[in-house]
Amino acid sequence: KAGVTQTPRYLIKTRGQQVTLSCSPISGHRSVSWYQQTPGQGLQFLFEYFSETQRNKGNFPGRFSGRQFSNSRSEMNVSTLELGDSALYLCASSSGSTTYEQYFGPGTRLTVT
Amino acid sequence: GESVGLHLPTLSVQEGDNSIINCAYSNSASDYFIWYKQESGKGPQFIIDIRSNMDKRQGQRVTVLLNKTVKHLSLQIAATQPGDSAVYFCAENGDPGTYKYIFGTGTRLKVLA
Repeated sequence: KAGVTQTPRYLIKTRGQQVTLSCSPISGHRSVSWYQQTPGQGLQFLFEYFSETQRNKGNFPGRFSGRQFSNSRSEMNVSTLELGDSALYLCASSSGSTTYEQYFGPGTRLTVT
Repeated sequence: GESVGLHLPTLSVQEGDNSIINCAYSNSASDYFIWYKQESGKGPQFIIDIRSNMDKRQGQRVTVLLNKTVKHLSLQIAATQPGDSAVYFCAENGDPGTYKYIFGTGTRLKVLA
């Protein structure tokens, strides 16, 4: 089975811009979670999508949003970028129902200047 | 590569020795735990998991121990190899029944030749 894929791998944006990141989960998995990883805060949960619905949400401002499509692919969007949004954004794939195992993609490295 | 954490605790072990990485988790209600390995520039890689109704689980060269009394997890790696050098994270499903995971701060494992 192919693993979790994320695009793009690297992005450089300017403050105030917006960005959209994409994630394709493992085939057959219906749950996609997003995490932000920074040296200072570590890995923090952003939100989880299952069957095109946001099922869980972390403690991030409304500038962070996401969606999931009928093929389980997911996107996350960050609007009005701030310098502090520079991070590695990780997508994790899970079955969504039968097991709690969670597998990560390689991440998208976002740099905000 | 990118720095996962600038001030992570570091465990240095000789090649061939056994490694023990510890983690204190936060929620006594957590009922599922995962250990991840993260190499520089990559996403976290699933190593082994354990449910709260178990106190020990073994994989290939790895063993996870769970002590619910003191909310403590450990990952034991037998015959540590240079390829084991990475940052190791424990994750708990702090909201049982969901995929909303809480991650530890991580431990950097350095294998000395």
